Amino acid sequence: NAGVTQTPKFRILKIGQSMTLQCTQDMNHNYMYWYRQDPGMGLKLIYYSVGAGITDKGEVPNGYNVSRSTTEDFPLRLELAAPSQTSVYFCASSYGRVNTGELFFGEGSRLTVL
Amino acid sequence: QQQVKQSPQSLIVQKGGISIINCAYENTAFDYFPWYQQFPGKGPALLIAIRPDVSEKKEGRFTISFNKSAKQFSLHIMDSQPGDSATYFCAASRDTDKLIFGTGTRLQVFP
Repeated sequence: NAGVTQTPKFRILKIGQSMTLQCTQDMNHNYMYWYRQDPGMGLKLIYYSVGAGITDKGEVPNGYNVSRSTTEDFPLRLELAAPSQTSVYFCASSYGRVNTGELFFGEGSRLTVL
Repeated sequence: QQQVKQSPQSLIVQKGGISIINCAYENTAFDYFPWYQQFPGKGPALLIAIRPDVSEKKEGRFTISFNKSAKQFSLHIMDSQPGDSATYFCAASRDTDKLIFGTGTRLQVFP
């Protein structure tokens, strides 16, 4: 049972480049989330999805896009990368609403924008 | 009103001691308060959680104390061990799809 799998683990981008962070889960969870983690700032919600075809903005959505075409996959797209997007990105999933149980996190994707 | 304030930012404890991390919130609609533990290079993992209808929850050496009137909750780690060295995040949620995290506390337990 792999849980939540994120790729790539590390990536360096130049300013203005675009890329997609991949996230897949094999737990048949309805809910999926993207967080970014910056030192001293905790985890900030970027986007989330309550099921295939449904996405919504979190606290810090600017500069990002998501899609949810299947239950398993929830890719995060960065368009026109900026140094402010240097961060560690975590994908997570849960079976139901966040106040009913556990969020399962991937191991993270460390992105550096130079 | 959506913030969760966590302190201290870092904590150094000797092996066998008690580690205490505190969190405060403003939104009285929050109804679920989990703590997550994160080891270096890994994603956070659920440690323990509490709902506001109880004042304390204990799981092994880990205890959450909850003070509804003060809008505060805390994590106590009894008999702290070097293996407990990690970053701890408090969080809060209401009946929505968002979990709001605190800023994290880096705990170091020295032998």
